[in-house]
Amino acid sequence: ETGVTQTPRHLVMGMTNKKSLKCEQHLGHNAMYWYKQSAKKPLELMFVYNFKEQTENNSVPSRFSPECPNSSHLFLHLHTLQPEDSALYLCASSQDLGEYSPLHFGNGTRLTVT
Amino acid sequence: TQLLEQSPQFLSIQEGENLTVYCNSSSVFSSLQWYRQEPGEGPVLLVTVVTGGEVKKLKRLTFQFGDARKDSSLHITAAQPGDTGLYLCAGARDNYGQNFVFGPGTRLSVLP
Repeated sequence: ETGVTQTPRHLVMGMTNKKSLKCEQHLGHNAMYWYKQSAKKPLELMFVYNFKEQTENNSVPSRFSPECPNSSHLFLHLHTLQPEDSALYLCASSQDLGEYSPLHFGNGTRLTVT
Repeated sequence: TQLLEQSPQFLSIQEGENLTVYCNSSSVFSSLQWYRQEPGEGPVLLVTVVTGGEVKKLKRLTFQFGDARKDSSLHITAAQPGDTGLYLCAGARDNYGQNFVFGPGTRLSVLP
């Protein structure tokens, strides 16, 4: 298996549920990212990790909690979400944080909050 | 806040036609990337342009970075149904990739 893999592909959850999104990259990259893609907004950067250390939290509400146990795995823990949090959540990785290191995206988790 | 605008928002054309989509900003970017996102998949990088005025070709796709590094265009010659997708531009705000700003995208549909 190659590239960036995200699970699950689809998730429906109630506002009181707790769930986690998983991302795994097999590219040997050092940086990993969470992005949110909504129908009416451009891709929004949520979190950045470099060598397992969080380097950016883009003013994301605390109901989203990232975890990066190693350079190959990234999680996004979700709790008490709102309907407006429904979106496609994309994980990405890059060799490093340089602008010439292209982002490699997974196919996303389509989240619906009911 | 640096914003990227893309136009047109939607474009539907027949196979074989040519098209150009645009990415504009009032801010200067150190580099700019174009991605294509197909339904049900994540974005895939097409090209990175770095130098003002730079032109890059990728088969039937031609990318240009504006002289002032505030805008870019993507021209597709003889479009094919396989070109269908969401085309995203992303500008680097400084030398760190984590600071990419994405445009809202142009959704292209090429009809056979």
